[in-house]
Amino acid sequence: SYVLTQPPSVSVAPGQTATITCGGDYIGYKSVHWYQQRPGQAPVLVVYDDSDRPSGVPERISGSNPGTTATLTISRVEVGDEADYFCQVWDASSDHPYVFGTGTKVTVL
Amino acid sequence: QVQLQESGPGLVKPSETLSLTCTVSGDSVTTHYWSWIRQPAGKGLEWIGRIHNSGTTKYNSSLKSRVALSVDMSKNQLSLKMTSVTAADTAIYFCARESYNEDTLTGYYSYSMDVWGQGTTVTVSS
Repeated sequence: SYVLTQPPSVSVAPGQTATITCGGDYIGYKSVHWYQQRPGQAPVLVVYDDSDRPSGVPERISGSNPGTTATLTISRVEVGDEADYFCQVWDASSDHPYVFGTGTKVTVL
Repeated sequence: QVQLQESGPGLVKPSETLSLTCTVSGDSVTTHYWSWIRQPAGKGLEWIGRIHNSGTTKYNSSLKSRVALSVDMSKNQLSLKMTSVTAADTAIYFCARESYNEDTLTGYYSYSMDVWGQGTTVTVSS
């Protein structure tokens, strides 16, 4: 089945930029979605279709998927951005169509 | 505002059947696909399965033999049943609404989960 790989952790100082990667075979041909999960809470969709943001998600959070690796970028990081972040793709040809990444813990120093 | 609320017993004995309900408010269960996902403490997200009110279902192949999803349109609820549970089934269980996303230029489509319940913790222990 399809596998998505993320770095286990990313550390960033407040005001700086956090970059989270998501790798998978031919990921550039897929739409990548991203979820933020704060401690003790449910996941929240923050980016869909590689780079679109649901209403209410700040412009500081952006996504891209240029081909080899999908990326979630959080600019001007705030303490409230400390959370786990998961990427996800839809693999229509699989009997296991929802694939989640391994998750990245973002720590704000 | 769409809200999902999972409910069910917090403790289930090994080999018994786990039954969970997800109550949907602010939307109808007839309008979307709906998924169940679980997350063991400190670990990642595992997709369990999805259902449409038409009866269409799809399950994680590793759980398929033990899981059944259903929809109750009269109560606007989703249900999950998992048989023969073990300690490995201990997790937080979430229900989520699926969102269909299509690129009109290429016809490529995908699904994401745009609304999640708060989750319910299930512990399997004697």
